[in-house]
Amino acid sequence: SQQGEEDPQALSIQEGENATMNCSYKTSINNLQWYRQNSGRGLVHLILIRSNEREKHSGRLRVTLDTSKKSSSLLITASRAADTASYFCVTPAGGTSYGKLTFGQGTILTVHP
Amino acid sequence: GAVVSQHPSRVICKSGTSVKIECRSLDFQATTMFWYRQFPKQSLMLMATSNEGSKATYEQGVEKDKFLINHASLTLSTLTVTSAHPEDSSFYICSALTPGAREQFFGPGTRLTVL
Repeated sequence: SQQGEEDPQALSIQEGENATMNCSYKTSINNLQWYRQNSGRGLVHLILIRSNEREKHSGRLRVTLDTSKKSSSLLITASRAADTASYFCVTPAGGTSYGKLTFGQGTILTVHP
Repeated sequence: GAVVSQHPSRVICKSGTSVKIECRSLDFQATTMFWYRQFPKQSLMLMATSNEGSKATYEQGVEKDKFLINHASLTLSTLTVTSAHPEDSSFYICSALTPGAREQFFGPGTRLTVL
């Protein structure tokens, strides 16, 4: 079964706006990752946040992790049309490994020029 | 970052035939690789864990006799879809763990279409 539930399932915004995607998971984890996937293409690793971290930044990306609520969020600031893709939160299948991964259902982001 | 390749990138085959998909770690040795399947507009689902020199471990609901996995070397794992049917049409993605299992890199995927 899916570990991560993502919200919203689809998000449509205008270029320049911020996009926020949320993810909830069920079991304890030691890290959480976010990946993006352009339509019909491979995966691109965006960011990894460890369980002892609350927030992490990478360029226009900001990820938060709340282990007490078992949730994470991905914020993309000043979005661009090129950010159009599916975004997945990914957790270790066993909760504490870097091996088997469980993908959330994903958020389809569309950024209109 | 490390590179993982897949071959072929696309394959179209007739129902009943077998198709082999290769996953290679190009610049590191991977004792463990994973195979995922992704149906249109859905997320990735783990199919199996491929371990070099030993039998693959399949996830619940995945038929091991239909999806044959061979990990004969530290840089190559193959997935063979046997007697393919239209419902096997999907996007198959592999990933490889770096030594020490500290990082995982994904291949670009293989689009399988079974007519």
